[in-house]
Amino acid sequence: EVQLVESGGGLVQPGGSRRLSCAASGFTFSTYWMHWVRQAPGKGLVWVSRIHSDGSSTNYADFVKGRFTISRDNAKNTVSLQMNSLRGEDTAVYYCARAGVKLGNLGPAFDYWGQGTLVTVSS
Amino acid sequence: QLVLTQSPSASASLGASVKLTCTLSSGHSSYAIAWYQQQPEKGPRYLMKLNSDGSHSKGDGIPDRFSGSSSGAERYLTISSLQSEDEADYYCQTWATGGVFGGGTKLTVL
Repeated sequence: EVQLVESGGGLVQPGGSRRLSCAASGFTFSTYWMHWVRQAPGKGLVWVSRIHSDGSSTNYADFVKGRFTISRDNAKNTVSLQMNSLRGEDTAVYYCARAGVKLGNLGPAFDYWGQGTLVTVSS
Repeated sequence: QLVLTQSPSASASLGASVKLTCTLSSGHSSYAIAWYQQQPEKGPRYLMKLNSDGSHSKGDGIPDRFSGSSSGAERYLTISSLQSEDEADYYCQTWATGGVFGGGTKLTVL
């Protein structure tokens, strides 16, 4: 059974940092791109970042570029999101997701998601 | 710019059918999308991939009550024999230089 379990959320002050982790199990982790998607309270889903299966390539949404860093450890089956210079608008539930579906030549869709971890940025 | 447009809300009666729509912005009518269901306080669940020709492939364990179809720039999710647990938010998604999500449709089962 595929499982993704996020951790690391909590309350952080504006300008602060937080590191989220996602533990994967039930599949060959090292063969999949992994993504982070967030959802502000009462709002919709927003894509944040992705990392290649071997960690060699990463991409970010413009609104987190230069502040967030995605990484992975294929030996430990984990993907992480280091979030720096946090702002109030970063308050959201953060989900990790497996990119297990191809939308033709366009890019991925996400066939498994975690339950999310809430990050609240507030003083 | 690639945008996915969804109606904010929809409603239908228990046991009935409902058709949700996701509209691709101009110039992107050939794009494939994915549909997701998000029940209250849960993470999203992948329902299916839907191509421009209406062909679709569903995720693991998705009931036959869920189906997809396409017409031009519109992508549809039809849920038949509505059950109470189908009350949820439904999102469509595709890809540009990053993931692109529609704003979601909140489905109420009456």
